[in-house]
Amino acid sequence: KAGVTQTPRYLIKTRGQQVTLSCSPISGHRSVSWYQQTPGQGLQFLFEYFSETQRNKGNFPGRFSGRQFSNSRSEMNVSTLELGDSALYLCASSLVGTGSTGELFFGEGSRLTVL
Amino acid sequence: AQTVTQSQPEMSVQEAETVTLSCTYDTSESDYYLFWYKQPPSRQMILVIRQEAYKQQNATENRFSVNFQKAAKSFSLKISDSQLGDAAMYFCASALVNTDKLIFGTGTRLQVFP
Repeated sequence: KAGVTQTPRYLIKTRGQQVTLSCSPISGHRSVSWYQQTPGQGLQFLFEYFSETQRNKGNFPGRFSGRQFSNSRSEMNVSTLELGDSALYLCASSLVGTGSTGELFFGEGSRLTVL
Repeated sequence: AQTVTQSQPEMSVQEAETVTLSCTYDTSESDYYLFWYKQPPSRQMILVIRQEAYKQQNATENRFSVNFQKAAKSFSLKISDSQLGDAAMYFCASALVNTDKLIFGTGTRLQVFP
């Protein structure tokens, strides 16, 4: 069974640009969540999607947005990039919402560098 | 609001020995989950162990076990017979039921010496 796949793995952008990150969950998982990991702030929750609906949102500015498609794949977008957006963005999928007790399976992450 | 605190930024242990990583949390909810996740240098996070708050029995997974003290809001991880492959960042996390919104601690870097 394929794991959670995130693309791209690495990317470099400049301030003011926008970026879109993609996440393909494990087959059968309908819940996808996103986390930002930085040395200073640690792991912070961004969003959670289930069946194309955003169920939870973390404390991030409106420049951070996401969506989930009917096949459960998810994308997150960051507009008007700032230096502080440089981070490892982790996607995770789970069976939560389908009666399971909820174990997150993480992807390897997308490393974003903003110059 | 939920919070998770890990007070040990770094820990070290010798191979085959036992080490305990500490975690405290705070929540006003009665039903929640607690987790320990491992993040090796390759970055992919994997679940080590999970505890449902309503269960009094401490969870165990092979060499990994927890000491869950609900009243004290404490959730420590014990690694027995430590192996070189256990070297990683360990994150304690909490989540409410039926949500993937994990609240993570700041992590503990575990070094294992031969």
